[in-house]
Amino acid sequence: GAVVSQHPSWVICKSGTSVKIECRSLDFQATTMFWYRQFPKQSLMLMATSNEGSKATYEQGVEKDKFLINHASLTLSTLTVTSAHPEDSSFYICSAKEYWYNEQFFGPGTRLTVL
Amino acid sequence: GNSVTQMEGPVTLSEEAFLTINCTYTATGYPSLFWYVQYPGEGLQLLLKATKADDKGSNKGFEATYRKETTSFHLEKGSVQVSDSAVYFCALSSPEYGNKLVFGAGTILRVKS
Repeated sequence: GAVVSQHPSWVICKSGTSVKIECRSLDFQATTMFWYRQFPKQSLMLMATSNEGSKATYEQGVEKDKFLINHASLTLSTLTVTSAHPEDSSFYICSAKEYWYNEQFFGPGTRLTVL
Repeated sequence: GNSVTQMEGPVTLSEEAFLTINCTYTATGYPSLFWYVQYPGEGLQLLLKATKADDKGSNKGFEATYRKETTSFHLEKGSVQVSDSAVYFCALSSPEYGNKLVFGAGTILRVKS
């Protein structure tokens, strides 16, 4: 089946620094990638949708200048949390889909802790 | 807007017990309904889906029926195994909201031998 990886699986950083999270589709071309955020015991909340080669579309309430998304190739999307603060600590999950299919394939998630 | 409510966990069962995880939804139009499963250390995987009223999705012994009259999509399995221990997410998508997935909070299932 289709495999999506994320790197790193967990990261701890100091307040004010930036952190980059990678999402890769390993065996298919992901024309669309999604980034979700999950708080403890809560739903996955969609943050943004990115299509390869174009700017990401952010959900209402998500700061596009804080959460920079780049989808420069058909197998890689990155999420950069800029000037991270403790309230950005969360579990970030990406998913990817091919053009022809509606199903999203999910990565294992990245745990971000900002001190 | 669209939303999904599922029963809080954790749900703890003995092996071979019957499983039900309740899921109800609020949506405009005619959403598609999904159950995803997340095993420890892995990404979410699609378990089953149903795209219209009265459809039954099934996979690996799990079943769920799309009930429009009760806006529900309860997950059931007749005899659980220890390997079914995971987090289960109910979700929906609808064309009215760009087919974006909206998830419930997830239910932890623990099966004891």
